[in-house]
Amino acid sequence: QSVLTQPPSASGTPGQKITISCSGSSSKIGSNTVNWYQQLPGTAPKLLIYSNNQRPSGVPDRFSGSKSGTSASLAISGLQSEDEADYYCAVWDDSLNGPVFGGGTKLTVL
Amino acid sequence: EVQLVQSGAEVKKPGESLKISCKGSGYSFSNYWIGWVRQMPGKGLEWMGIMYPVDSDTRYSPSFQGQVTISADKSITTAYLQWSSLKASDTAMYYCARLQGGNEYYFDFWGQGTLVTVSS
Repeated sequence: QSVLTQPPSASGTPGQKITISCSGSSSKIGSNTVNWYQQLPGTAPKLLIYSNNQRPSGVPDRFSGSKSGTSASLAISGLQSEDEADYYCAVWDDSLNGPVFGGGTKLTVL
Repeated sequence: EVQLVQSGAEVKKPGESLKISCKGSGYSFSNYWIGWVRQMPGKGLEWMGIMYPVDSDTRYSPSFQGQVTISADKSITTAYLQWSSLKASDTAMYYCARLQGGNEYYFDFWGQGTLVTVSS
């Protein structure tokens, strides 16, 4: 059981906007920035959002991140079929000297 | 272009040893921590450990301390993950990833993964 809680699944139709939540404790999300990874079927994870709301080069602006207190959210607007993937939130754990991941959310585009 | 290229899939028997690799290119390999992440079949991501190639400083997740060894050869810009005695429960996909540091830490580039299957 992860210390970061994500819904196991989410779904939407093409063109819709969806959000995926990630909640944790004050010592986890509350103390550090949140990163999001996208894992398309059969591929390696890819950095999607870092430092709560920053997009790496090449990531479409349909993807956005936010954080408030001990919760964070990933929003995907203009949903496309190719967005169907697993999404993981993660924060750096200073006591572990490593990241902790959420359990992941499987996004289905109907 | 930053690339992390991992070694190929492995099929091993319980009790055997194994060392998988991750070759970095397109950046200054020695100056970035590199980490390993496990993904068991149908499951999520688990951080295993990180290493700084410059001085081999290594940090392990408590869940993996004593179970695996992380090393690197900076002369050939390659990181390694090894087991001395595999178990069936080590069956998983293993990813290496470069750690972006500074004030915030995240894995910005990932290898393609190495599938390890342990079965008698």
